[in-house]
Amino acid sequence: GDSVTQMEGPVTLSEEAFLTINCTYTATGYPSLFWYVQYPGEGLQLLLKATKADDKGSNKGFEATYRKETTSFHLEKGSVQVSDSAVYFCALKSGGSSNTGKLIFGQGTTLQVKP
Amino acid sequence: ETGVTQTPRHLVMGMTNKKSLKCEQHLGHNAMYWYKQSAKKPLELMFVYNFKEQTENNSVPSRFSPECPNSSHLFLHLHTLQPEDSALYLCASSQDFLAGNNEQFFGPGTRLTVL
Repeated sequence: GDSVTQMEGPVTLSEEAFLTINCTYTATGYPSLFWYVQYPGEGLQLLLKATKADDKGSNKGFEATYRKETTSFHLEKGSVQVSDSAVYFCALKSGGSSNTGKLIFGQGTTLQVKP
Repeated sequence: ETGVTQTPRHLVMGMTNKKSLKCEQHLGHNAMYWYKQSAKKPLELMFVYNFKEQTENNSVPSRFSPECPNSSHLFLHLHTLQPEDSALYLCASSQDFLAGNNEQFFGPGTRLTVL
């Protein structure tokens, strides 16, 4: 079945460091891909998304590119801030005839940014 | 109120109690979801209602009973729970369960502790 694998955390960085959180997926068809973020004490919020190969999603300085050849959707940010400390979830939704309507989530990666 | 709200935010109950979790969405969506978030595990989809009809029940034990009286409200009735049911329960909504990129909007969750 479809699945999402994220790098294990926690990831600890100093402020202004470069961030990469790896995400790879297994899916039939042509999935849509998402990154969600969960700040402490809150629910998940959509951070960015990409719906087809080579699309780049971006928001709040974060970027991720849909790479079909490597089945990846890595999250990057050039300069992290303390306020970016949160748990980040990669997710997919199968497309076309494989669409079940479900979002499949990775296990989440905790990011801690220190001043 | 805007977005997706959940009450209560925290709940402690004994194994013989009966309680209910409430979710309300103010976004005009037609699909609503219950997820379970446990430590170090991916989000688990429990139930989906699309246009008030239950479309998904992911082998959830019968001690969890969902109710969706209209497109804006979703309940999760709890009875005879086990300590391993302690988790964060998240509600989400989206325009339509099967819609293309199906962005889901999440509530802040109810932190449930079963003693």
